[in-house]
Amino acid sequence: NAGVTQTPKFQVLKTGQSMTLQCAQDMNHEYMSWYRQDPGMGLRLIHYSVGAGITDQGEVPNGYNVSRSTTEDFPLRLLSAAPSQTSVYFCASSYGGTVGYTFGSGTRLTVV
Amino acid sequence: GIQVEQSPPDLILQEGANSTLRCNFSDSVNNLQWFHQNPWGQLINLFYIPSGTKQNGRLSATTVATERYSLLYISSSQTTDSGVYFCAVGDNYGQNFVFGPGTRLSVLP
Repeated sequence: NAGVTQTPKFQVLKTGQSMTLQCAQDMNHEYMSWYRQDPGMGLRLIHYSVGAGITDQGEVPNGYNVSRSTTEDFPLRLLSAAPSQTSVYFCASSYGGTVGYTFGSGTRLTVV
Repeated sequence: GIQVEQSPPDLILQEGANSTLRCNFSDSVNNLQWFHQNPWGQLINLFYIPSGTKQNGRLSATTVATERYSLLYISSSQTTDSGVYFCAVGDNYGQNFVFGPGTRLSVLP
């Protein structure tokens, strides 16, 4: 099925551990992005990419790294997890950041 | 940075009623979107509407860019319309894409 696939759906980490959240899309969208959503709040942009090999920071990039080696994949890496990174993470893709904006189903991350 | 406000924060309706949700933003934008987050957390894009008016079934949206606001109209509401409605604004290519705090809608049977 066409869309944005995020894995895992749930994850518990200990403080200081690292991990990678996976995001893949099969719609040939050049634009991809990562957001975090904290309880009762809107989404905040972490990092985004306008095409393979191009990434840039959003509103809350600290503690996260991204890379974009292919059009399809946009992984988000947590370098050293902290309790403040407990959140729900959403990946999205679109044509040029505008048309066809599609979200994945989210990854619920808890850092203890 | 750009500020986004949404009103009302919460809205409770009886099934069949109409409603208007508002989004105000503090600066000119090239990109404005409305999203619906259902009670299970899934986010669905409703409209890409940096200006003008669009309609999709019972939903329609209007953005007056010169006055920096957008409206989302829901007619003949259904229980499946429940959830949180977000407005998001930014530049082309999603730079500085900022979400509002959302309007939580509950439609009662």
